[in-house]
Amino acid sequence: KQEVTQIPAALSVPEGENLVLNCSFTDSAIYNLQWFRQDPGKGLTSLLLIQSSQREQTSGRLNASLDKSSGRSTLYIAASQPGDSATYLCAVSAGDGSSNTGKLIFGQGTTLQVKP
Amino acid sequence: SQTIHQWPATLVQPVGSPLSLECTVEGTSNPNLYWYRQAAGRGLQLLFYSVGIGQISSEVPQNLSASRPQDRQFILSSKKLLLSDSGFYLCAWRWGGATNEKLFFGSGTQLSVL
Repeated sequence: KQEVTQIPAALSVPEGENLVLNCSFTDSAIYNLQWFRQDPGKGLTSLLLIQSSQREQTSGRLNASLDKSSGRSTLYIAASQPGDSATYLCAVSAGDGSSNTGKLIFGQGTTLQVKP
Repeated sequence: SQTIHQWPATLVQPVGSPLSLECTVEGTSNPNLYWYRQAAGRGLQLLFYSVGIGQISSEVPQNLSASRPQDRQFILSSKKLLLSDSGFYLCAWRWGGATNEKLFFGSGTQLSVL
C-alpha cells in the first residue's frame, strides 16, 4: 500500500530564505508526483508535476526534484516571501494495474510560515 | 477555459440528516472526476472517482455515496450523516493525457456535522 510522508510538518522561516520541503513515498511504481499549495479553507492549486521519467521541474522560484528509485521528492523555494505562507502537499499518482486513473495519494502536508 | 464549481462553501448539518454536495465542470468533456475529503489533522483521502456518466468507483468503505448523472456533474450524497462525516470536501477533475496531466480542485465545502 502506497504511503506518502512529508517532513517537516511545519516550518517557519524569515523572508528571503531558501528552503526545502521533503516528500517520501513507499512504492516507486508511480505515474507522476505533484506538489500542491493549499491556503487555509481553500482548495488546492497545482504547483508542479513531475512525470515518473523526469528528474525535476521548475516554475519561477519553485523547483521540484524526483528520485523515484529512492522514493523521494523535494520542493525547493528560493527567496521565500510572506505570500508563500501556505500548506504544501505532495501527492503521487496511482493507477489500476495498467492504466493511470489519476487517483492521487497525498502526504499530510508541510505548513510553511514566512515571516516578514 | 476550464473551471470547476463546487457548492456550498460551508454547511452545518445535524447528525442523521441527508447530504448533497454538487460539483460541476465547465469547458471540457468526459473528464475524470474525483471526490476527496480532508478531515481535521489528517491528509486528503480519495473517496470516489468517476471516468464517465454512471461510472463510480468507491475507494473506502463509508457512509457516503456518489453519482454522476451528467458528463460534467458529480454529486456526493448521504442519507444519514454521522459525526465522522465532518471534514473539508474537495471535488477535482483531471486534465491532460498520459504524459502531461494535472488535477484541478474546486474551492471545497467545509461540512460540520453536529
